[in-house]
Order: sequence, then C-alpha cells, then structure tokens
Amino acid sequence: DVKVTQSSRYLVKRTGEKVFLECVQDMDHENMFWYRQDPGLGLRLIYFSYDVKMKEKGDIPEGYSVSREKKERFSLILESASTNQTSMYLCASSFRFRGDSPLHFGNGTRLTVT
Amino acid sequence: QKEVEQNSGPLSVPEGAIASLNCTYSDRVSQSFFWYRQYSGKSPELIMSIYSNGDKEDGRFTAQLNKASQYVSLLIRDSQPSDSATYLCAVNMGRGSTLGRLYFGRGTQLTVWP
Repeated sequence: DVKVTQSSRYLVKRTGEKVFLECVQDMDHENMFWYRQDPGLGLRLIYFSYDVKMKEKGDIPEGYSVSREKKERFSLILESASTNQTSMYLCASSFRFRGDSPLHFGNGTRLTVT
Repeated sequence: QKEVEQNSGPLSVPEGAIASLNCTYSDRVSQSFFWYRQYSGKSPELIMSIYSNGDKEDGRFTAQLNKASQYVSLLIRDSQPSDSATYLCAVNMGRGSTLGRLYFGRGTQLTVWP
C-alpha cells in the first residue's frame, strides 16, 4: 500500500515565523504535490515537483517555496507565515508517466497562524 | 483554462436511495478520471477510477464516462449514512512538465439521512 506521510497533523505558528511542512512517500513516485484546502474553495495546488530538484508553480504559489532534494521527500516552506495561510495542507504523490496513476494523499497538516 | 465542474450541491438523499454526482471537464483529450471521497477533517481517498467510455461498477458505486460529452458521473446505490461526505471529481489534464497533474472539482457534499 502506498504511504504518504506528513510530519505533523496539527501546527500552531506565530505570524512572521518560518514554517516547514515535510512530506515523505514510499512508492518511488516521480510526482509530488502540495495543496491547500479551505472551505468553499476546494483543493488548490501550491507547487508540485516532477523530479529531484525540479518544481513547477501551481495556482497559488505566492508566499510559499518548496524543496525536493531526495525523490521521496518534498518540503513546503512558508518563509514568513501570515494569518491568511491558516489552512489544511495536503501532500500527494503519483507516478508521472503512467496516465492511469491517481494521486495518493497524506493525512494532512492543519496549520494555524496566530 | 483547464476546468473541472461539479454539481454544486449540497445533495441530500434518504437512506437506501441512489445518489447521483456529476462532473464535466474542459480538456477533450483527457484519458483518466477519478472519484475521491473526503470525510470532514480527513484527506481525500480514492474510491473509483475510469478510463473508457461506459460504466464501471464496484460494489455499490458505479462510475460513468462519456468522453464525447466530456462528462463523468458517480452513482451510489443503496446509500448509507456512512456515505455522507464530500465527493471530489479529478481529471488527468497534465501535459509536458505538468504530466500527471490531476485537476479537481470543488466537490459535492452528500448527506444521507436515516
């Protein structure tokens, strides 16, 4: 079974702090994704990565950066957290070259910025 | 612009009824389609995938695909209160560097009442 593990289930941070969200997958997937989910807005893609050190902006990259130094690990960084970044963050992974590959999600990190 | 639209809901059905969830998508050449179920506070979980025109059945769930109409649906027969969740439609519309990216609808909230 595919396992996507997010480092924290709940996080509380202060405005202006630098925040790291970590995600690890064990299925040798090429693609990894970071989404945020807010009520009424659905899943919104922040960034994704299709290979080590490769990244693509999603629909809402402002205020975020990412790092992928190893294939199994994808980190989301909030350089200076703000209250409007309070949200549920979801990591996902998939195969890149298999057109039938679904996304497999981690359990999510609920981040509160105060 | 790549878009996935779902019937807005919320949808409310009595226990034992058929729940019908609908989705349209913008990319005519899409080949892979997925339905995810998301319980409140949890991450999305894959419940169905479909790649060919027609129906695909799995237990009480049936996915239907019509590529000519760019339409995919999910039927839940004999609905149970445990089916109460938000259902997300996802379509593989990635190309080039975004290969493997799924585009999600905003979801339809389903409530099954006893």
